Amino acid sequence: KQEVTQIPAALSVPEGENLVLNCSFTDSAIYNLQWFRQDPGKGLTSLLLIQSSQREQTSGRLNASLDKSSGRSTLYIAASQPGDSATYLCAVRPDTGANSKLTFGKGITLSVRP
Amino acid sequence: DTGVSQDPRHKITKRGQNVTFRCDPISEHNRLYWYRQTLGQGPEFLTYFQNEAQLEKSRLLSDRFSAERPKGSFSTLEIQRTEQGDSAMYLCASSFLGIDPYNEQFFGPGTRLTVL
Repeated sequence: KQEVTQIPAALSVPEGENLVLNCSFTDSAIYNLQWFRQDPGKGLTSLLLIQSSQREQTSGRLNASLDKSSGRSTLYIAASQPGDSATYLCAVRPDTGANSKLTFGKGITLSVRP
Repeated sequence: DTGVSQDPRHKITKRGQNVTFRCDPISEHNRLYWYRQTLGQGPEFLTYFQNEAQLEKSRLLSDRFSAERPKGSFSTLEIQRTEQGDSAMYLCASSFLGIDPYNEQFFGPGTRLTVL
């Protein structure tokens, strides 16, 4: 059974700092990995999707990397801003079967202090 | 296209009542998923449809839960005889299996259910 872990559960940083959020998964047979942002009481916004054959994806100040063999992904946020405060979730899609259901971690709640 | 929409956004009900949620996926998306998220946890898969066919149900989906997707468009999730443990955010997502090799899932805003 796939398990996705995100540690720590919460993180507080001063504005302007570059930071890295970690995600690990137990089964390397994944099709892709997605990073999402969730604001309190809201739905999920997809930030980046990395296919299993890719090493990284970039969007603006965000860069996500994937090391499939070691079961790890990181989300790098450059020059953090208070508006980046949210919960960040990673999710993996299995490489087997037709079902593309996602398995999520519990998320990392980020607070960026002005 | 305005993305995935869900209705209602919030629902408060008393234990034992039935509730129904609706999800409208992105147009042309042939896959639709339901997830449940409790406080401090990541979303957990409940069920998914490809067009109108319900192809998989999680063991989390007890017999009090039923989902439909008539005509392969919108979907409804009904919970009968609600229990306090059903209180959660119910999230809907859709994707297109076909030309898009990524089959990326796009999520709606969710329906927050509170069972008193």
